[in-house]
Order: sequence, then C-alpha cells, then structure tokens
Amino acid sequence: AQSVTQPDIHITVSEGASLELRCNYSYGATPYLFWYVQSPGQGLQLLLKYFSGDTLVQGIKGFEAEFKRSQSSFNLRKPSVHWSDAAEYFCAVGEGTYKYIFGTGTRLKVLA
Amino acid sequence: DAGITQSPRHKVTETGTPVTLRCHQTENHRYMYWYRQDPGHGLRLIHYSYGVKDTDKGEVSDGYSVSRSKTEDFLLTLESATSSQTSVYFCAISESPTGSDTEAFFGQGTRLTVV
Repeated sequence: AQSVTQPDIHITVSEGASLELRCNYSYGATPYLFWYVQSPGQGLQLLLKYFSGDTLVQGIKGFEAEFKRSQSSFNLRKPSVHWSDAAEYFCAVGEGTYKYIFGTGTRLKVLA
Repeated sequence: DAGITQSPRHKVTETGTPVTLRCHQTENHRYMYWYRQDPGHGLRLIHYSYGVKDTDKGEVSDGYSVSRSKTEDFLLTLESATSSQTSVYFCAISESPTGSDTEAFFGQGTRLTVV
C-alpha cells in the first residue's frame, strides 16, 4: 500500500538557521508530491508541488524541495528560517484516485 | 484565500447525539472532501464528492455520512457521535481529483469534542 513517512515529529531550529524536513514515500509509479503548511488554528496551505520535470521545485515563502527517485524522498528545505515559519508541515502524495495520502506531520519550532 | 467556510468552528456534543458539520464554498469547484486530523495520523479522508449528489467513502467513513445537494455545500453528519470522533475536521475543495496534479484548498477546520 502507498504510504508517506515523515520521520521527524518535532524539529527545533534557531531563527536564521537552515531547515530540512524529511519525507519518504512508497508508491509504485511516479507520484504527485506536495508539501502543505498548517499554522496554528488554520487550515492547510500549499507550499509547493512536484509532478514531473526539474526535480528541484521552488515554492512560496522561500521554500524548495527536491525529488529524489532513487531515495523515494521529497525533502523540504529553507536556507534561513524565520520565526513566522513555526507551524506544522505535511508531506502528501496524490495516489491516483481521489485522495491524498498524508504523512503524520512535522511540527517546527523556531527559537529566537 | 479560497472561499471555503466551515461551520461551526467549534462544537461540544454529547455521546450518542447526531452532529452535522457544514462546508460552504464560493469557488464553484466540483470536488469536495472531508478529512479528520488526529495526532500521529496526519489527515485521513472520510468522504468525498465529485459532483452534486455524487459522493463516495474514504478510508475512515464508518459512523459518518455526507450529502451534497448543491455545488457549494457539503455536509458531514455524525449519525451518533462517539468519543473516538473527537477530532479536528477539515473540508477541502479542488477543481480536479486530488489524486492527480491538482492543488486542494482547505477550510479552517472544525474542532469537535464528544463528551
């Protein structure tokens, strides 16, 4: 069965430091991959998505992600984290029917 | 922001009572979804709709029913609420099925507590 794994439940970084959030997927074909962000008390907002082509994709708020087929990974990165980036981040796979498969999320804390 | 309104935003109800959550959209998107969010589980699909009066089950549909009589409204009903249905419920909409390359837009959520 298809699955998405986000191995880090919580991550704490200092403001200005770089960030990498991990996402691994299990899916037979080339997947549709997404990163969403959820600020406290809010719904989910799309950060970026990958379908095909260039494996490094740029998103909003200075985020980027790299698709690595050999590692079944789609890790999210940001070179310099801002305090406003504190949120929960979800990786998702579009699995070919009507639904996303979501990871369990990574909660990011940013230290001033 | 996509025009999605969930109501109510917060609700406390007693075990055994029926509860209906409403999702209203102003985007005229064909596809609508109900997810529940629980710690350690991420978001899981309850039911979805691919048009007026066209609905189907997701992965955690037991104890829930839905209806869509108009494009803009998608109702989720807990037929007899149980404590295991305490959760945050999100409505989402999309122009195309979310199993493809399309983005989904999410409402702000409804926090439901069953006591």
